[in-house]
Amino acid sequence: DQQVKQNSPSLSVQEGRISILNCDYTNSMFDYFLWYKKYPAEGPTFLISISSIKDKNEDGRFTVFLNKSAKHLSLHIVPSQPGDSAVYFCAASARGATNKLIFGTGTLLAVQP
Amino acid sequence: NAGVTQTPKFQVLKTGQSMTLQCAQDMNHEYMSWYRQDPGMGLRLIHYSVGAGITDQGEVPNGYNVSRSTTEDFPLRLLSAAPSQTSVYFCASSDLYGYTFGSGTRLTVV
Repeated sequence: DQQVKQNSPSLSVQEGRISILNCDYTNSMFDYFLWYKKYPAEGPTFLISISSIKDKNEDGRFTVFLNKSAKHLSLHIVPSQPGDSAVYFCAASARGATNKLIFGTGTLLAVQP
Repeated sequence: NAGVTQTPKFQVLKTGQSMTLQCAQDMNHEYMSWYRQDPGMGLRLIHYSVGAGITDQGEVPNGYNVSRSTTEDFPLRLLSAAPSQTSVYFCASSDLYGYTFGSGTRLTVV
């Protein structure tokens, strides 16, 4: 059973436009959510996170929104740049429990110049 | 500032061979974990450890063993490699606020 789901395997966006990546989760024990970016042949790198006590967290061009009632989060990138082209993974953990990080299947973002 | 170091970067094994993937961190993190990445499957948790001497199974533990004798090291052992274990393996360490990943080991079992 996939506890963290990214239903869009890929997304293509024009440079300068907004990229919206979506993620759904099923486990109500999750209280911390993260987005990771991964380039080929490299390990995932942390991008942005949000605690369940918040519904929005912003860091420069990146904003994560959390809708707990819908068990849904999204990552907005504005404006999108060609260097943002990568695989984006959504991840979730229950920090009060084991701190295990469970990942989604990833979304490949292609930002076209 | 090394962070998380994984060795080797590449490995080819024959079916039935054993090997150990090494992982070391220098951030004094209590929590460490191993993931495998396969096309269309994302990153799946194999085993994790919440501190020295403590390990537990993740989502896909079969065929893998781990131990955690020190805070710094968390090796992953394949006792009898199978072609289904062909994958890219990532080690990570974390505190409560973030995970740091190694650069990965690409393993091919033929």
